Formats: sequence, structure tokens, C-alpha cells
Amino acid sequence: NAGVTQTPKFQVLKTGQSMTLQCAQDMNHNSMYWYRQDPGMGLRLIYYSASEGTTDKGEVPNGYNVSRLNKREFSLRLESAAPSQTSVYFCASSEALGLNTEAFFGQGTRLTVV
Amino acid sequence: KQEVTQIPAALSVPEGENLVLNCSFTDSAIYNLQWFRQDPGKGLTSLLLIQSSQREQTSGRLNASLDKSSGRSTLYIAASQPGDSATYLCAVRGPSGNTPLVFGKGTRLSVIA
Repeated sequence: NAGVTQTPKFQVLKTGQSMTLQCAQDMNHNSMYWYRQDPGMGLRLIYYSASEGTTDKGEVPNGYNVSRLNKREFSLRLESAAPSQTSVYFCASSEALGLNTEAFFGQGTRLTVV
Repeated sequence: KQEVTQIPAALSVPEGENLVLNCSFTDSAIYNLQWFRQDPGKGLTSLLLIQSSQREQTSGRLNASLDKSSGRSTLYIAASQPGDSATYLCAVRGPSGNTPLVFGKGTRLSVIA
């Protein structure tokens, strides 16, 4: 059972470079999410996709874009990386309806912007 | 805006103790609440999901309770072990099943052998 898979696991970028973080889930979930985790700030929502074909901003969307490529995949793009985007990024998925909306998380991408 | 608070921020206990981690939230219109465990440098592992209509949920040595009207949840860990050392995160979802989770900042637990 792969669950939620994120790539890459580690990345170092220079200021101004761009990159895309990939996320895929194999649980047939409707909803997918991107969070960032910073010391002292906890997990904060960047963007989410409640269902295939929809995306919405979260608490900290500036500097990011997302694409819900299909039901399985949800990517996060940094167009021009800044040191403030140094963080650990987590992708998650869950079912949207019914009683079992348990969320499952990937192992994270550790991004450093220098 | 939903806010989730976890107290204490850190806790150190001797092995074998029973302990309680606290979580409070400001908006009682939640769909469910989920407890996670996070080991250093790792992702989040789901421990328990408790629906808004439930009062408690159990898994092994873990018991989560929910008092929606007062905006509180507790995670009870029985007979703690060094392997329980981790950060425990509380997250609430609401008011519908497709709204994102809002997280507390976690309680860092150390169980000393």
C-alpha cells in the first residue's frame, strides 16, 4: 500500500528558481491538500482541491500555484523561490463524503531555498 | 476562523505512566477531529478519527474523547512506553467532510525509560 507519495524528498533551490512538488495518492480519494510545516508555526494549509477539477486557496497561498492533474495527482509549483519558502511540505488526501474522511499524509518534501 | 490549541507544548514522563494530552478548538461546528503522531523528520501517522457525533474512540492503549459543545478533546495514553515518544497533533475538520483540517501546534512527548 503506497498511500500518499511525494517527490522529491529533499531539494535545495537558489532564490528565483522554480520547481514543482509532485503528489500522488492511490486510495481513490476525492480531496487533496498541500500544507507547509515550520518550527513554531505548526502545519498551515497552502492550497487544497476538494474534488477533481477544483482548487482553493488556503491560509498561505502567496508564491504558490497548484494543479489537480487528475483524481490521483495534485502538484504544487513554486514559480520564483524565496528563502521564506524554506519549509517542509506535506501532501495529504482524504475522502470528502461520508463518515470516513480520515486524512492520510505523505512523508514530506524538505525544501531549502538559499 | 477556527483555531486549535494544544496544551502542554512539551511533556516528559517516566515509562509506565498514564497521560493525557489536551486539544481545544474555538468553533464547535466541526465534522470530525483527528489525532496524529509525528516522529522527528517523518510524516504524520493517523492515530484516531472521532466523528462529531461520537464521545470517544479507542485504539489499543489510546483513547480519544470529544466534547464538541465545550470545544475540547483529550488523548489518553495508557502505560506509556519510550516508543510513544513523538509529537502528537490534533486537527479538526469542519463543518463538512470536504473542508480542510486545521491543526494545533502539537505536544512533544518524551517517555523516559
